[in-house]
Amino acid sequence: NAGVTQTPKFRILKIGQSMTLQCTQDMNHNYMYWYRQDPGMGLKLIYYSVGAGITDKGEVPNGYNVSRSTTEDFPLRLELAAPSQTSVYFCASSYLLEGADGYTFGSGTRLTVV
Amino acid sequence: RKEVEQDPGPFNVPEGATVAFNCTYSNSASQSFFWYRQDCRKEPKLLMSVYSSGNEDGRFTAQLNRASQYISLLIRDSKLSDSATYLCVVNAPPNTGGFKTIFGAGTRLFVKA
Repeated sequence: NAGVTQTPKFRILKIGQSMTLQCTQDMNHNYMYWYRQDPGMGLKLIYYSVGAGITDKGEVPNGYNVSRSTTEDFPLRLELAAPSQTSVYFCASSYLLEGADGYTFGSGTRLTVV
Repeated sequence: RKEVEQDPGPFNVPEGATVAFNCTYSNSASQSFFWYRQDCRKEPKLLMSVYSSGNEDGRFTAQLNRASQYISLLIRDSKLSDSATYLCVVNAPPNTGGFKTIFGAGTRLFVKA
């Protein structure tokens, strides 16, 4: 049972480039999330999804887009990368909304924008 | 005031020591509380939920104090493997106009031999 799988693990982007962070879960969870973690800060919610075809903004959505075409996949798209998007990104899923039963996180993507 | 506040530490303790962390939250209507553990350069993992009656899992005990709006985590007989960052997580009540899970910035613990 793989849980939540994220790719890539590391990436360096130049300012203005775009990329997609992939996230797949095999637990049949309806709820999926993208968080970013900056040094000394708590995780911040970027986007979340309550099911296939339904997504909504979190606390820090600017500069990002998501889609949810299947229950399993929840990719995060960065358009026109900026240095402020340098961060560690975690995808997560949960059985209950808002992780009331606990979140399962992927191993993270460490992104640097130069 | 931050919505969820933790002492960043680091806490440096010898093996076998007992150590306690507190986490304060600002929304008195918060309903769900959790402790997560995050190892260096790894993802957070659920350590335990915090119930109103408190709960214990082996060497770990979590407590909730609604009157003073804080949760605590007590680790007894610390092991080297307990070295990690401990994240406090608080869920706002439903129907508050949006998604509201708040992660604390974490408390770093170093257990030394």
